[in-house]
Amino acid sequence: EDKVVQSPLSLVVHEGDTVTLNCSYEVTNFRSLLWYKQEKKAPTFLFMLTSSGIEKKSGRLSSILDKKELSSILNITATQTGDSAIYLCAVFPGTYKYIFGTGTRLKVLA
Amino acid sequence: DGGITQSPKYLFRKEGQNVTLSCEQNLNHDAMYWYRQDPGQGLRLIYYSQIVNDFQKGDIAEGYSVSREKKESFPLTVTSAQKNPTAFYLCASSISRLAGVPYEQYFGPGTRLTVT
Repeated sequence: EDKVVQSPLSLVVHEGDTVTLNCSYEVTNFRSLLWYKQEKKAPTFLFMLTSSGIEKKSGRLSSILDKKELSSILNITATQTGDSAIYLCAVFPGTYKYIFGTGTRLKVLA
Repeated sequence: DGGITQSPKYLFRKEGQNVTLSCEQNLNHDAMYWYRQDPGQGLRLIYYSQIVNDFQKGDIAEGYSVSREKKESFPLTVTSAQKNPTAFYLCASSISRLAGVPYEQYFGPGTRLTVT
């Protein structure tokens, strides 16, 4: 059965800290891995990583795909209170469905 | 502005009543999805549709029904057969209906359904 596991489940840090969120997967046919940020309601798209694009960066956020370890990390440097959210990882295994992890709840304290 | 709208934001129903959640998109996307989000469980797929007049069951379709009569609209009905319907429901769409083509999904703001 295809599976996506995120860790930690929750995390509390102070402003200015750097955090690393983890996503590991077991799928029969990996095509891409996606990261989303969910603040209150709608998840918003952050990055998509594929075999041809294993590293993405946008401002203080960056993500790397490790196809050998079947995992990805999402790094956030110099965290701000606005980074507080649930971060979702999803894997697209080449069918029509996206498989989501349980998410990591990040709280950044001022 | 292009996007996905869901209505209502909050919905309260008595047990035993069917309820329909609305999802509309003006992104001209082919594929649309319904997810259910419970605390600590991530997003679970209820139904998805790759094209008008066609849809498939996801992982937790029991007690739910959908229709796709127009490209822009994908309403979800939560029936009285759904044993535990209280949850946050998210609708999403993506550009491609081609199998194996990875595109990001765009999400609506969600509907929080409470059944008592």
